[in-house]
Amino acid sequence: SAVISQKPSRDICQRGTSLTIQCQVDSQVTMMFWYRQQPGQSLTLIATANQGSEATYESGFVIDKFPISRPNLTFSTLTVSNMSPEDSSIYLCSVVESRGDQPQHFGDGTRLSIL
Amino acid sequence: QKEVEQDPGPLSVPEGAIVSLNCTYSNSAFQYFMWYRQYSRKGPELLMYTYSSGNKEDGRFTAQVDKSSKYISLFIRDSQPSDSATYLCAMRSNQAGTALIFGKGTTLSVSS
Repeated sequence: SAVISQKPSRDICQRGTSLTIQCQVDSQVTMMFWYRQQPGQSLTLIATANQGSEATYESGFVIDKFPISRPNLTFSTLTVSNMSPEDSSIYLCSVVESRGDQPQHFGDGTRLSIL
Repeated sequence: QKEVEQDPGPLSVPEGAIVSLNCTYSNSAFQYFMWYRQYSRKGPELLMYTYSSGNKEDGRFTAQVDKSSKYISLFIRDSQPSDSATYLCAMRSNQAGTALIFGKGTTLSVSS
């Protein structure tokens, strides 16, 4: 399966600041997603990153808070804006490699702590 | 009622034991079922991927889906200390690209 790299792997940030997380895949993929994994909670989909157009956000997530880019078929970024302690979480990139009923594969995530 | 229920454990077993992990769900539209294994400080790693009802076996792992009962299981035979991890069930409807709905995960510890 594709190799998915996320940067940074972890960070500690001050409240009110923003952080951009990068997801790089070693091959072209059809779909890219961003998830959040909060302590004691299920992984939750934030949005689907669409190449060349605006991301599709799930209920409860908005573009102003989580702007997403996907300039090509191998790269996407997620920005966590105006961070508060409630944003402390693991943020995960996942991909579907090809069309059809293929499973999602995940990167190792970005562990974010907000002070 | 949550869409996917999974007992968080922790579950502790001795090496060599048979482990049974389970999830129940409420949405009858779910057609694809997955089990992921997540080690500490790592992302979820796909273990099993099944469509509709039935069994699928891969080495020491067997996944079962019972859509009539809305119940899925993962069995691990001859469990090893290296199986110690959190196991996440996930599922989605038939529409490609739709969100995976996850359980909260079961933490498994296998002692030698």
